[in-house]
Amino acid sequence: DTGVSQNPRHKITKRGQNVTFRCDPISEHNRLYWYRQTLGQGPEFLTYFQNEAQLEKSRLLSDRFSAERPKGSFSTLEIQRTEQGDSAMYLCASSGTGPSYEKLFFGSGTQLSVL
Amino acid sequence: GDSVTQMEGPVTLSEEAFLTINCTYTATGYPSLFWYVQYPGEGLQLLLKATKADDKGSNKGFEATYRKETTSFHLEKGSVQVSDSAVYFCALSHTGYSTLTFGKGTMLLVSP
Repeated sequence: DTGVSQNPRHKITKRGQNVTFRCDPISEHNRLYWYRQTLGQGPEFLTYFQNEAQLEKSRLLSDRFSAERPKGSFSTLEIQRTEQGDSAMYLCASSGTGPSYEKLFFGSGTQLSVL
Repeated sequence: GDSVTQMEGPVTLSEEAFLTINCTYTATGYPSLFWYVQYPGEGLQLLLKATKADDKGSNKGFEATYRKETTSFHLEKGSVQVSDSAVYFCALSHTGYSTLTFGKGTMLLVSP
């Protein structure tokens, strides 16, 4: 169990640019989540995959955001035409099935700064 | 919609002091309740959980009891250590759905 891995750890971009983040979940986990956290706030749900299927998206998720999980393994989160309000920590988490599905394992996050 | 309210921090304690971090929630039905902890430089980790009323979750000396009548899930520890310094998040989810609603977090600072 190597944990949930996120890359990059930090990303600085200019407003209007596109950015992509990657998440590698724990290998046997079939559920994968993306959350966003801003300073002084708790994580806020963005989207959820079970295997390769994206089953839920937050109403807060702008059309500029898109997430994929090809083949049910790693996932990518892309933000198009970034805005300063997108600056936040983007967290990925994964969980297994059965009774343990409620125990989420989080990565250390990708800190995005939009200038 | 669902919401979780935690006491504001930072909570500053001396080693071996008693800890309480208050958490109340608003939700329909009977959600599962969680405490997650984030140590400096690390990802969030599940600390404990409770899935129904009057259940007590416990781990590493921390405890929290699911109180349906007061919609609360307060975190307690009898004797804190410096290594407990972290940010603590209260959260809820509904059975069958694994998406979590988090509170804003409470920072705990424990001095020797």
